[in-house]
Amino acid sequence: GAGVSQTPSNKVTEKGKYVELRCDPISGHTALYWYRQSLGQGPEFLIYFQGTGAADDSGLPNDRFFAVRPEGSVSTLKIQRTERGDSAVYLCASSASGGAMETQYFGPGTRLLVL
Amino acid sequence: AQSVSQHNHHVILSEAASLELGCNYSYGGTVNLFWYVQYPGQHLQLLLKYFSGDPLVKGIKGFEAEFIKSKFSFNLRKPSVQWSDTAEYFCATQTSGNTPLVFGKGTRLSVIA
Repeated sequence: GAGVSQTPSNKVTEKGKYVELRCDPISGHTALYWYRQSLGQGPEFLIYFQGTGAADDSGLPNDRFFAVRPEGSVSTLKIQRTERGDSAVYLCASSASGGAMETQYFGPGTRLLVL
Repeated sequence: AQSVSQHNHHVILSEAASLELGCNYSYGGTVNLFWYVQYPGQHLQLLLKYFSGDPLVKGIKGFEAEFIKSKFSFNLRKPSVQWSDTAEYFCATQTSGNTPLVFGKGTRLSVIA
């Protein structure tokens, strides 16, 4: 009966490095979302998965960002050549089937700091 | 494109005071509307949501919100706040058929004894 979990909870890396952030959605939820929350801002949409496929990746800021969900459950957000501006809290959410009336349940987030 | 404006960055209230947090959205079509709350050290959780029907929506913990279509607004209210309501509150919209949420910048509420 666990909620959405995300690992690691904190990640410190150096500029130019590669990072992977993991999201484990609520069991059985087919829809999974990634958002990014910068200091003093609300969450901003990055990418949405329906099952294994990315249904909407219009929020990814550039081609350094990529996400996968190979088995339709766990998702990994990958950031190449990290920049200081990538520092933020990365949030994952899931919903039962992605319908517009469904509640999205959020995880605790991964706080990424790029030095 | 959708956008959401939350007018108050930080609100400070005494316990038992009434609360109203403003939220305006820009999208001219049909929208679904949400208020999420983030208590200190916790993750975002849903307070209430509106899709259709009665424009006055009641949520958890005594919160309610009113959708006023003519004003593009969805303000959050609570008649009497408690210290435990100290949190950050986010308004969000979702266009029909497009499920990612668009959030406002949030309003930090501090309730003092």
